[in-house]
Amino acid sequence: ETGVTQSPTHLIKTRGQQVTLRCSSQSGHNTVSWYQQALGQGPQFIFQYYREEENGRGNFPPRFSGLQFPNYSSELNVNALELDDSALYLCASSPSQGSYEQYFGPGTRLTVT
Amino acid sequence: AQSVSQHNHHVILSEAASLELGCNYSYGGTVNLFWYVQYPGQHLQLLLKYFSGDPLVKGIKGFEAEFIKSKFSFNLRKPSVQWSDTAEYFCAVRSNFNKFYFGSGTKLNVKP
Repeated sequence: ETGVTQSPTHLIKTRGQQVTLRCSSQSGHNTVSWYQQALGQGPQFIFQYYREEENGRGNFPPRFSGLQFPNYSSELNVNALELDDSALYLCASSPSQGSYEQYFGPGTRLTVT
Repeated sequence: AQSVSQHNHHVILSEAASLELGCNYSYGGTVNLFWYVQYPGQHLQLLLKYFSGDPLVKGIKGFEAEFIKSKFSFNLRKPSVQWSDTAEYFCAVRSNFNKFYFGSGTKLNVKP
């Protein structure tokens, strides 16, 4: 059974640029959530996707957007990058929308300069 | 605003000592509660969860947690820690608006 994978591992971007992060959910999981984890903090919920629809959103501005594909993989897009967007971005998948148990990937470390 | 508080940021224990990590949340509606653990160099993984029923829940590796609704708490316990329990522990809450909130984590260092 393949776990949650994320790409890329590390990324460096310049303020104002746009970035796309990718996540492949665990086999059989149809729900994907994205989190931002700043250094020394707990993960902060960005949003969740279930069957290609956004299904819950945290307190993040609209420049954070996402997609889920028919194979349940997902993308996180961040526009107009700011220095404070530098963080570890975690993807987590769940077996079903009502399961709420989340299986986390290793994360993508984004640095904005 | 909803939040999850973990008051112990760093805990150091000797092997065989008992562990209790505090977690309080501020949300008045129905919640689902979780503890996640991150071992050094590994991903976050689920330790235990509470959805409903018996407020004392048991998880993997001998951990348990008690949900006390009146205190908005979900404290994690283990009677006797081992060196291999050295990790960072996160408490998390899911609100009935399908939003998830994590605490800032507690780093546990168990000395052999």
